[in-house]
Amino acid sequence: EAGVVQSPRYKIIEKKQPVAFWCNPISGHNTLYWYLQNLGQGPELLIRYENEEAVDDSQLPKDRFSAERLKGVDSTLKIQPAELGDSAVYLCASSLGDRGIYEQFFGPGTRLTVL
Amino acid sequence: AQTVTQSQPEMSVQEAETVTLSCTYDTSESDYYLFWYKQPPSRQMILVIRQEAYKQQNATENRFSVNFQKAAKSFSLKISDSQLGDAAMYFCAYRGESAGNMLTFGGGTRLMVKP
Repeated sequence: EAGVVQSPRYKIIEKKQPVAFWCNPISGHNTLYWYLQNLGQGPELLIRYENEEAVDDSQLPKDRFSAERLKGVDSTLKIQPAELGDSAVYLCASSLGDRGIYEQFFGPGTRLTVL
Repeated sequence: AQTVTQSQPEMSVQEAETVTLSCTYDTSESDYYLFWYKQPPSRQMILVIRQEAYKQQNATENRFSVNFQKAAKSFSLKISDSQLGDAAMYFCAYRGESAGNMLTFGGGTRLMVKP
């Protein structure tokens, strides 16, 4: 069974440029999560999807961040414009459902460096 | 809001020895799950072990076991017969049982294994 796929693995951009990250969850997983992981810290949830609906985006900085999950499968997270403080790892995870009993499977993440 | 605290930023262990990583959490919920995740340099978060709060018996997975003290809100991870491949960041995480609860991570413990 294929795991959660993310691309790119690494991205280096200059500040004020746009950037997008892509995630393909495990087949059949209805719930998809985007996390932000700063260096030396644990991941923090940015947004959670149930199928194509964003059901929890309270932690997403909406002035510059946006996300979509068209057709309820793969998802894209965008930053426009990027700032120096956005340098971090962006993790995507998926699970069968949203209750605590369901394990979250993580992708390898995208490491973003903003110069 | 739930919080998860890992008080050991770094730990080291000799190969084949045993090491214990500490974790405490704060919650007012009665039904929840606790997890230990391993994150090697490849950044892939891997679930090591999980504990359901309603279970009194401590979870074990091969060389990994937990000491779950519900009243003290403590959840430590014991790694027996440590191997070089165990070297990684370890994150303790909490999640409420109900739908909509998010996974809350601690700050992580870096484990080094000495040959």
